[in-house]
Amino acid sequence: EADIYQTPRYLVIGTGKKITLECSQTMGHDKMYWYQQDPGMELHLIHYSYGVNSTEKGDLSSESTVSRIRTEHFPLTLESARPSHTSQYLCASSAGGARDTQYFGPGTRLTVL
Amino acid sequence: AQTVTQSQPEMSVQEAETVTLSCTYDTSENNYYLFWYKQPPSRQMILVIRQEAYKQQNATENRFSVNFQKAAKSFSLKISDSQLGDTAMYFCAFADSNYQLIWGAGTKLIIKP
Repeated sequence: EADIYQTPRYLVIGTGKKITLECSQTMGHDKMYWYQQDPGMELHLIHYSYGVNSTEKGDLSSESTVSRIRTEHFPLTLESARPSHTSQYLCASSAGGARDTQYFGPGTRLTVL
Repeated sequence: AQTVTQSQPEMSVQEAETVTLSCTYDTSENNYYLFWYKQPPSRQMILVIRQEAYKQQNATENRFSVNFQKAAKSFSLKISDSQLGDTAMYFCAFADSNYQLIWGAGTKLIIKP
């Protein structure tokens, strides 16, 4: 089992609230990723990081923001949640880039009412 | 733009049977990597198998093997002696650069007892 953790696992929240989804890994990986996945659908990259103080947006436009202050920690923040943000958010990490194996967390299933 | 196509949204087979999941991709690159990832119900996504395009030999991992046809841009996954624990979503993914993975829409595989 990969050592990558996400909290909370499930979150139901009202419109307009600020939320932070936590992701931590203990493998010392430089590369970390956030994906958005609707149930039974493909993954869409929304943010990635190549190391501390490095963050980039992925191909899927997202109103979320991320930070990478420590190698092991890659939180995702939504300043004002909306129903359109309802989805599953998966965090992943890898030692190398996209060509390397990615290790995934269990995901956070977010519902915005 | 690179694309990954999984033409079988859902498949089901009896336990112990062999099943093949199809994946095709589109790229003009010559050097790239292909992956099959497995996402069991309510569990973490994990790597099943990884193939480097410049390697002629098809990758295998125990009961899982691929049929990599570079000219046809085809990358199918064969699961032999299928087990109940193989029930999952299976995603095919492609990486040519070190930037990000391109994901297929997934195939839901159900193994029936």
